[in-house]
Amino acid sequence: GAVVSQHPSWVICKSGTSVKIECRSLDFQATTMFWYRQFPKQSLMLMATSNEGSKATYEQGVEKDKFLINHASLTLSTLTVTSAHPEDSSFYICSARETGSLINTEAFFGQGTRLTVV
Amino acid sequence: SQQGEEDPQALSIQEGENATMNCSYKTSINNLQWYRQNSGRGLVHLILIRSNEREKHSGRLRVTLDTSKKSSSLLITASRAADTASYFCATANQAGTALIFGKGTTLSVSS
Repeated sequence: GAVVSQHPSWVICKSGTSVKIECRSLDFQATTMFWYRQFPKQSLMLMATSNEGSKATYEQGVEKDKFLINHASLTLSTLTVTSAHPEDSSFYICSARETGSLINTEAFFGQGTRLTVV
Repeated sequence: SQQGEEDPQALSIQEGENATMNCSYKTSINNLQWYRQNSGRGLVHLILIRSNEREKHSGRLRVTLDTSKKSSSLLITASRAADTASYFCATANQAGTALIFGKGTTLSVSS
């Protein structure tokens, strides 16, 4: 299957700082990427849909000014957690689907980023 | 928002036994997918079943879909310790653009 690379795999940061997480599709182009958040022993919650060359679409309740998403190329989307607080500590996972593919096909996931804010 | 519920939330079995996980969803679907997640890792696609299919097999996996009951089941036969993971069902969101996931079943297979 296609490969999605997410970096870093884990990060520890101080409260008030910002953290950037990268999601790259390595062997395919992805017009659309997705960002999820997962708390321990819970499911994935969709945060936003990242669209290449346009603004991201955020799910209800997700602060767009806190979770900045940039999708500047067909292979890279970034999620920046701004002014991080301990409650932002979580597992963040990105997903991508090949450009032109439908929702009726599988999505490919990065390996996730464990963010700990101290 | 989450699509539905999986049950059981946790399942512990011995190697060689079968494991059955169930998923219920709320809205009409074009297809339903099952994913696996090893602890602290990303998700891996297992199988996709379309709304006009009732059953699908892939290796030791068997998935059923009952659209009248808005439910699906995933059966793993002859389980192995390496099957230990969390399993999630997923369907498309209302916009039809992204996947949303059920709460998942955590499977533990002991040798």
